[in-house]
Amino acid sequence: ETGVTQTPRHLVMGMTNKKSLKCEQHLGHNAMYWYKQSAKKPLELMFVYSLEERVENNSVPSRFSPECPNSSHLFLHLHTLQPEDSALYLCASSQERDRGYTFGSGTRLTVV
Amino acid sequence: GQQLNQSPQSMFIQEGEDVSMNCTSSSIFNTWLWYKLEPGEGPVLLIALYKAGELTSNGRLTAQFGITRKDSFLNISASIPSDVGIYFCAGQAFLKSNSGYALNFGKGTSLLVTP
Repeated sequence: ETGVTQTPRHLVMGMTNKKSLKCEQHLGHNAMYWYKQSAKKPLELMFVYSLEERVENNSVPSRFSPECPNSSHLFLHLHTLQPEDSALYLCASSQERDRGYTFGSGTRLTVV
Repeated sequence: GQQLNQSPQSMFIQEGEDVSMNCTSSSIFNTWLWYKLEPGEGPVLLIALYKAGELTSNGRLTAQFGITRKDSFLNISASIPSDVGIYFCAGQAFLKSNSGYALNFGKGTSLLVTP
């Protein structure tokens, strides 16, 4: 079992739908992250949570709403997305914010 | 965030050949990391570099953190078909909110290895 688990692995949603991505880490880390990977672009940082408190929102549109109820779980709530939001969404965690991350396998999102 | 320039964008090589890829930046980083992304999986950490000039190996992989802290290279020796994937460099950068660090990634190097 990987240390960081993301569900679902694949998601297809319409532009009027509301869905949520889930991330769970079993490593005892105290920081969690959402990254977006679009084709032919670098991995883009979306949100950072440290000790369950959001410390960074990297200019992400409000149609993406993160939630971190505890240090082991991170959600990304999606609503009224656009086709250009189709991408691989990766969750990561770290023990300290200045150390290497452990990534989940990602959720491949397609907006139709 | 700070931009990382990673090259080459893609490589197509034969099994047994050595591979080299590098990243450069106009900014200084405290930490440099190399990840591999395989189809259907999240990035996997290959090598982490914490000191300028540091040279670190992990099996057939060798990476160095440039002395100026603005560049790094990754070498793969005697490549095998399972080396196929996308390799990303990542530099640790200070968050805009001054509350810690996050990683900035290069665009990746796509590696294809033929038997």
